[in-house]
Order: sequence, then structure tokens, then C-alpha cells
Amino acid sequence: ETGVTQSPTHLIKTRGQQVTLRCSSQSGHNTVSWYQQALGQGPQFIFQYYREEENGRGNFPPRFSGLQFPNYSSELNVNALELDDSALYLCASSEGLAGGSEQYFGPGTRLTVT
Amino acid sequence: QKEVEQDPGPLSVPEGAIVSLNCTYSNSAFQYFMWYRQYSRKGPELLMYTYSSGNKEDGRFTAQVDKSSKYISLFIRDSQPSDSATYLCAMGLENTGGFKTIFGAGTRLFVKA
Repeated sequence: ETGVTQSPTHLIKTRGQQVTLRCSSQSGHNTVSWYQQALGQGPQFIFQYYREEENGRGNFPPRFSGLQFPNYSSELNVNALELDDSALYLCASSEGLAGGSEQYFGPGTRLTVT
Repeated sequence: QKEVEQDPGPLSVPEGAIVSLNCTYSNSAFQYFMWYRQYSRKGPELLMYTYSSGNKEDGRFTAQVDKSSKYISLFIRDSQPSDSATYLCAMGLENTGGFKTIFGAGTRLFVKA
């Protein structure tokens, strides 16, 4: 088990609503990345936060936004939920930018949009 | 064309077999090459990573990178039923826009006792 935790474990929302997912990084890690994993697919990179600033973003619309806090924990916010947003949302922490290859994942939050 | 291509399988082998998993990629700028294992309803677990062409061994696992062919492989020796999982290859790139990781779709592996 990694030291990365995510909450909640499962979540059901209605189309058009907003959701906030949370991630606590492993001790000593100052970089958090968020991924979306649809069923049967590999994780897709959403964005990365390093020392509270966004440092890289994948092909996701602006309604996907995030925050990183001074203790390096992080939030992923999704506005105006769509049915296609149903997926497993994963966060991964790493130590610094150069250590981006050694990412340790949390168990994920499974989001269902109805 | 996807940046990273990976055969989704499923791949079914008997216990003790040598397993070969492969990915190809199109972006020659990728700098980092990783393999993750993901059990059902769990987050991916980092197995191996490397920065350069060549082989890297860790116990029963060997990762191989051929940058000239844009091809990476993971070999599992003496496969066990506990190795049954989805194996994800991933490529990392760091530039002025920050770091990003691109994953393959994953190969489902079943090891039969």
C-alpha cells in the first residue's frame, strides 16, 4: 500500500452538478498528479500540481480544475458534470518534478454521473 | 494514431510461463518509461521505471526499452496466479510546459494455476 489516500471512495452525482475529490499525498512528496480512468482504458493525465501551482495539463476542459495546499494535499473539482465524466479518478504523488517518473497512486475515487 | 499503443489482450498463460508484454510509442521526446500493475478496483502500482534504452531487472521482472524502435517490453519470469492483473505501460515527458505521463490502455493478464 502506498501512503496516498483519496476520498470519497465512491460518489454518485447528477448531470450538471459539481464535485470535489480529495487526495493526501505520500509523506515527503510535493507533487500531485490527477488522472481519469474510464472502464477498460488506461489513466488519462488531467493535470499536475507542484508546490501549489499547476505544472502541466492534459486535454481536459477548464471545468476540470484543481488546488494544492501548503501541506501538498490536493483537490480536483469538476463543474457541470456530464455523463462521460463517469470514471475512476486517481491521484498520484511524487517527490519533485524530476521524480515524476516515480509516481505512487492512491486507490481512486469512483464517480458515477447519472 | 495514439501516442502509446498497447494490446489490451486478454493474455492467458499457465503458471510458470514467461510472459512478454509490449508497447509501442510514436513520440520520440518521451524520456521516462514505466510499467504499472493494476489489480481490479485498485490504483496502479509502480513496478519498474527507466530513463534509457537497455534492460533493467528486478526479481522476476525485466523491463526493456528500445528507443530506436520506439518499443518497450516487460518480461515476467516464472509467472504466478498472483500476477493476474492489468499491466499498464506509461511514458513520461518533461518540458517547459511541465511534466506529463501518457498511459497505454493496459493488457489484462491471466495466469492459470
